[in-house]
Amino acid sequence: GQSLEQPSEVTAVEGAIVQINCTYQTSGFYGLSWYQQHDGGAPTFLSYNALDGLEETGRFSSFLSRSDSYGYLLLQELQMKDSASYFCAVRSDDKIIFGKGTRLHILP
Amino acid sequence: DVKVTQSSRYLVKRTGEKVFLECVQDMDHENMFWYRQDPGLGLRLIYFSYDVKMKEKGDIPEGYSVSREKKERFSLILESASTNQTSMYLCASSLGGSGETQYFGPGTRLLVL
Repeated sequence: GQSLEQPSEVTAVEGAIVQINCTYQTSGFYGLSWYQQHDGGAPTFLSYNALDGLEETGRFSSFLSRSDSYGYLLLQELQMKDSASYFCAVRSDDKIIFGKGTRLHILP
Repeated sequence: DVKVTQSSRYLVKRTGEKVFLECVQDMDHENMFWYRQDPGLGLRLIYFSYDVKMKEKGDIPEGYSVSREKKERFSLILESASTNQTSMYLCASSLGGSGETQYFGPGTRLLVL
């Protein structure tokens, strides 16, 4: 079957760095995406990796290792507004599969 | 900016009713998707469409149907609503081709009594 695994919850302190991991097992693979969703809101696109390596966008970075079927989202200089759920998603063949999401709690 | 709108934010229906959820996008996107989101289960794909009058089943199509008569509009239909279809329904669209970036609507929270 096809699956994406990510931790259900992560807690970090304001100003710190946190890493959210995602491992995947899919029949095909075109790339790994990350989405952010605040309570009551819609998911919004954060990043996309098609090739191995690190992609940086401001305080957020995303990494992919295709050989390990693994990626992560790195959030730096955490702010309270980063409290949200984060979903990894894989484009596999003709559709996109989402992970169950990681709830990020940020402590002041 | 891409804008995806959904017809209702909140909806209450009774068991057995026919329910229509509508989604409209204004960026001429080829691809449109319907998901449901439930606590602990993430986003699950119900149906998707890569072109007008075209539809494909997702992972959980049972109890649902869709319609895409125009490129900008993708409708989700619950033929006979049941209590286990109480959920948050999210519509999304993306450009043609690889379509990695999906743009989501605000969601419709449906309660079936």
